[in-house]
Formats: sequence, structure tokens, C-alpha cells
Amino acid sequence: GIQVEQSPPDLILQEGANSTLRCNFSDSVNNLQWFHQNPWGQLINLFYIPSGTKQNGRLSATTVATERYSLLYISSSQTTDSGVYFCAVVMDSSYKLIFGSGTRLLVRP
Amino acid sequence: SAVISQKPSRDICQRGTSLTIQCQVDSQVTMMFWYRQQPGQSLTLIATANQGSEATYESGFVIDKFPISRPNLTFSTLTVSNMSPEDSSIYLCSVRGVSYEQYFGPGTRLTVT
Repeated sequence: GIQVEQSPPDLILQEGANSTLRCNFSDSVNNLQWFHQNPWGQLINLFYIPSGTKQNGRLSATTVATERYSLLYISSSQTTDSGVYFCAVVMDSSYKLIFGSGTRLLVRP
Repeated sequence: SAVISQKPSRDICQRGTSLTIQCQVDSQVTMMFWYRQQPGQSLTLIATANQGSEATYESGFVIDKFPISRPNLTFSTLTVSNMSPEDSSIYLCSVRGVSYEQYFGPGTRLTVT
């Protein structure tokens, strides 16, 4: 089956720093989403980005489908950015999301 | 995007008992999904629930352990049966929106003692 790998697994930042999270996938995909899971466990949709680039405030994402990777950029990080960031892909018409293992981010004040 | 609610938000249950988790959506949706997130782990799909048909289970999950109902286009339930401490997890439902995008409920945090 499709493999989804995220890096780095853990990341510690000082408030105000920038970061890049990476998601590699092993096959062509119909969907790629980035989520933020907050400390209470809720999954928040960040981006639906099967290809191209999108920006939302301090966050932006780029997916290069032909090279099978996606990047999530966080600029001027804040303590509220802490949590786990997941990428997830849909490979086929089943619509089933396959999740990566996540990047655990801690932003220190 | 869809607004999804789950009940209960959390529960502590004894070994051997069962818990039914409800998922309610504010609009009609064809496809609903149930995921499990074990402590410190990523999310794993349990089953896909389409209205009017039997749920489709992923490898490693069986109907006797995780029976699912989908009585209409806005509601579904997942039951965790004969629970053991290994069932302690966050259980999340999701729905498919436009195209392939999915939206998740707030989750049910289950602890089995």
C-alpha cells in the first residue's frame, strides 16, 4: 500500500522562528491534506492541497505531485502552533485517508 | 465545510463493557469514516460507513468488535465492544466534503480500566 512519511518526527522552536515540515508519499495521490492536532486532540484542517501552493496567514503549503512530496511552512511561530502536524493522502477512488506518522512541534515562549 | 459533533467527548469504562459513540453532521453526506488514534500514534481507519449499506472494515478490524450503524445521511454510531485496556484511544469520525477533502469531528477520548 501507499507509504506516507513525515519529517522531522519532532521539532522544538523558539517563538518567532520559521520551520518547514515535509511529507513524502510513495505513489500518485488524488488528495493531500495537512492537519494540526491541538493538545485537546482535535484535528483542524489546514490545507487541502493535492498540487500547487496555498497560503493562509502565517502558514503555507506546497505539493509537488510529480515528485511525490508536500511541504508545510510555518512562519513567525507562536506557542499556539504547538501540537502534532499530520499529512494524509487519498490514493484512489476509495476516499480513504492514509496518515503519516506526524511531526510533533513544540514552540517555546 | 461540515460541522461534526461527537458524543460522548470522553469516557472511562471498565474492561468487558461496551461503549457506543455517536457522530452527527449538520448536512447530508454520503460517506462517513471512523478512525482510531492510539496513544502517541497516528490515525488508523477502522471502517467506511455509507448510508444504506454495510460498513466496510479495514484489515485488523472486525464487525463483532466495532459494529457500526448508519441509519441516515447525517448520523452514525460506532460501538466498541467487550473493551480491554488496549482499546483506550481517541475515536474520530470524519465525512467527505467536496471532492476528496475530509472533515473530522472533535473525537471521543476513551479510557478503559
